[in-house]
Amino acid sequence: AQKVTQAQTEISVVEKEDVTLDCVYETRDTTYYLFWYKQPPSGELVFLIRRNSFDEQNEISGRYSWNFQKSTSSFNFTITASQVVDSAVYFCALSESGNFGNEKLTFGTGTRLTIIP
Amino acid sequence: DVKVTQSSRYLVKRTGEKVFLECVQDMDHENMFWYRQDPGLGLRLIYFSYDVKMKEKGDIPEGYSVSREKKERFSLILESASTNQTSMYLCASSLRTGAGQNTEAFFGQGTRLTVV
Repeated sequence: AQKVTQAQTEISVVEKEDVTLDCVYETRDTTYYLFWYKQPPSGELVFLIRRNSFDEQNEISGRYSWNFQKSTSSFNFTITASQVVDSAVYFCALSESGNFGNEKLTFGTGTRLTIIP
Repeated sequence: DVKVTQSSRYLVKRTGEKVFLECVQDMDHENMFWYRQDPGLGLRLIYFSYDVKMKEKGDIPEGYSVSREKKERFSLILESASTNQTSMYLCASSLRTGAGQNTEAFFGQGTRLTVV
């Protein structure tokens, strides 16, 4: 069965510091997809990134970057020069290969990030 | 923009009532999902539908049922609400592209249900 672990329940950093959110996953599939979502105080989950298991290239999008390492089954998320607007709950999620019924997402328990002004 | 709309933002129901949570998406997505979100537990899948009239149980289906009569609408039904079903309920949809290309899910704003 697939599983996602986000060991950091809550993190607080001072504005402009860098912060890394950890995500470790378990799956028996060789083809799978990893996701990060942001849930601001308004409650709606916002999609940030999708990565498939064959693409281990790191990705950077502005202040956000993601480090995917199959050897350690990790998909970590780094925010550089954090801002107060980054305060949210962040979820890592996994879905296995896209056969019918396998497209569902399994979520971690989330990391609540607070950026202190 | 993809839009997933849940019928209510906040709902208060009494124990034993039958409760309907409605979700509509406007992007012709094949897949639709119902999750519940509880502190410390993240999001847990209740039911999943990959086509009209098709449904699959998720990780915590007990006490719930679903209905998908039209592609754009996915309803979650609490047959007899209980206090342990007090939670945030999130609906989502995603596109099936074929060839095993799982796409991201788009979420509604959530329904906070309180059962008293």
